[in-house]
This record gives sequence, C-alpha cells and structure tokens, in this order.
Amino acid sequence: EAQVTQNPRYLITVTGKKLTVTCSQNMNHEYMSWYRQDPGLGLRQIYYSMNVEVTDKGDVPEGYKVSRKEKRNFPLILESPSPNQTSLYFCASSLSPTAFYTEAFFGQGTRLTVV
Amino acid sequence: AQSVTQLDSQVPVFEEAPVELRCNYSSSVSVYLFWYVQYPNQGLQLLLKYLSGSTLVKGINGFEAEFNKSQTSFHLRKPSVHISDTAEYFCAVSEWEAAGNKLTFGGGTRVLVKP
Repeated sequence: EAQVTQNPRYLITVTGKKLTVTCSQNMNHEYMSWYRQDPGLGLRQIYYSMNVEVTDKGDVPEGYKVSRKEKRNFPLILESPSPNQTSLYFCASSLSPTAFYTEAFFGQGTRLTVV
Repeated sequence: AQSVTQLDSQVPVFEEAPVELRCNYSSSVSVYLFWYVQYPNQGLQLLLKYLSGSTLVKGINGFEAEFNKSQTSFHLRKPSVHISDTAEYFCAVSEWEAAGNKLTFGGGTRVLVKP
C-alpha cells in the first residue's frame, strides 16, 4: 500500500531535549516536504527536499533541521525544542516537485507538545 | 507574496443542506488553486484543483469550486451535505513555478454537519 508513514504519532517532551520525527515513503518519490499546522494559520511549510541530499528552507524553518540521505526518508530534527514548536506536523511527498500539484501524499500527522 | 484567507473558521450546516466555503487569495502572478479536506485524525486529501482551463472545477465526493480571477476567489460548494462531510477544509494556492512548489494554505474552515 502506497503511504507516507510518520513516527511517532504523539509525543510530549520537555524544553531543550533533542527529538527526531521520522517520515518514510514507499513510493520512490523524489519530492518530500514538512509542514506544521496551527489553529487559524493552516499549514506552513518548514523544509522541503527536491531529491537526495537536496534540501531547502520553507516559510518557517527556524528551530528545525532536516536531512535527506536516502530517497525514502526525510526526518525532521528539533535540536532544542521550545514550547512554541508545539504543533501538529505533517510530512508530504510526491513523485516529482510538479506532481505535488496533482498527487501529493500526506502522512497522518505527529502531534508534538513541548512543555 | 501569496496569501490565502478563508473567511469562515466554522460552518455548521444541517444534513442535506447546501454549503459554501469561501476562499480569497492574493498574489501578483498567476496561481494554481486547491482545496484539501482533513477528516478527524487523518492527513490531508486533495478534493479538487484548478490549474488552467474551465473555471468551474469538479472534485471528489460531489464538491465543486469556481475560480474567479477578477475577485481572486475560489469558493467551494456542495449542493447537499452528508454527515460524513464533517471535516476541516483548507484552501491552498501556489504561484506558478514557485520555488519548492510551496503550497500556501488558508487557516481552514471546520464544517460540522448536523442531523
């Protein structure tokens, strides 16, 4: 089954404790992206990746890192989480950057709480 | 820079009644337009999209939307809703050839269908 898998689905952590949210897709997609969803603000792009070893900042990259060492994985790293990073996070992928317009696949989301 | 405004944060509606969700955008260049739906505890699903051509776009589950360039709007409609349409709906826009193929989302409209 074609899917984007995020782990964990729920996470409560403390300020400053490094964490990683994993994202994996099984569709050999080139393009992957991370979004955060906050009430009233919709989804905002954090980082995206056009292909292996190619990543770039989205609209709200501060406090986040990503890596793309393999095609299928695109982890989101919070080196020193703060309470303002409490949010619902989505990973998304598509076959190519332009295919994102016609067939983007979203993971089920990771709800992160930083206390 | 592009931006998207969804004028209603919540829309209660009775089953079998029509519903319209309003979306306005601002951009200095030509855009692609999208509506996504998010069911409880799930990721986003593409409902419909406008890339070019006919301004009336039909999507899944009986939804349709009309692109109005002069009013910079892309309102979503359904003539008769079901309980299963209870979800949050997001309007999104992408400027042609935008870097990273970024989608800019509106704040979302929560639709609650009542029996």
